[in-house]
Amino acid sequence: SQQGEEDPQALSIQEGENATMNCSYKTSINNLQWYRQNSGRGLVHLILIRSNEREKHSGRLRVTLDTSKKSSSLLITASRAADTASYFCATAGKAAGNKLTFGGGTRVLVKP
Amino acid sequence: KAGVTQTPRYLIKTRGQQVTLSCSPISGHRSVSWYQQTPGQGLQFLFEYFSETQRNKGNFPGRFSGRQFSNSRSEMNVSTLELGDSALYLCASSQGLAGGHNEQFFGPGTRLTVL
Repeated sequence: SQQGEEDPQALSIQEGENATMNCSYKTSINNLQWYRQNSGRGLVHLILIRSNEREKHSGRLRVTLDTSKKSSSLLITASRAADTASYFCATAGKAAGNKLTFGGGTRVLVKP
Repeated sequence: KAGVTQTPRYLIKTRGQQVTLSCSPISGHRSVSWYQQTPGQGLQFLFEYFSETQRNKGNFPGRFSGRQFSNSRSEMNVSTLELGDSALYLCASSQGLAGGHNEQFFGPGTRLTVL
């Protein structure tokens, strides 16, 4: 079973628009990470947010974490065609067996 | 710094055969984790090795095994292949354990097809 569940499963937007995706998880965590995957290739790490942090930024990416609701969101601002990919959240923590557990992913299509 | 490399990139096997996949982590990284990715089950954790010891294991049958060498390179082996083993197998390395505050660096994966 997966610890994290992403919502929506798929998202289609125009270039320049913002994309928001959400991740919910079940057990307490040490941190939550977001990864991007292009066309069935390897994953690329985007951001790691610790359980005691509420918000983190990296370039056009903004991640929030609400541990009381066991949820996180990833916002991509001013999207580009190159942002077309699948985005996964992954949680790490003792309660989940000290392994990185991935959600099902959100497929994002950015149309030029 | 060279990234995580996986060999081979593509593999076609028949049912009942066995296969060995290889992963070379980023220099200095001591943790290597393996994942199976399929359209139906998504990304599933197989196991993690750190300093040649298996530190964690996912819910896979004993046909799936792995090991790590003193130079941190890792191999995973799948015996008695089944059709359902067809998947993208991803390897990831990190400086510390995957369950800690450590970014994981992924290789390009090995695409295994079982006929």
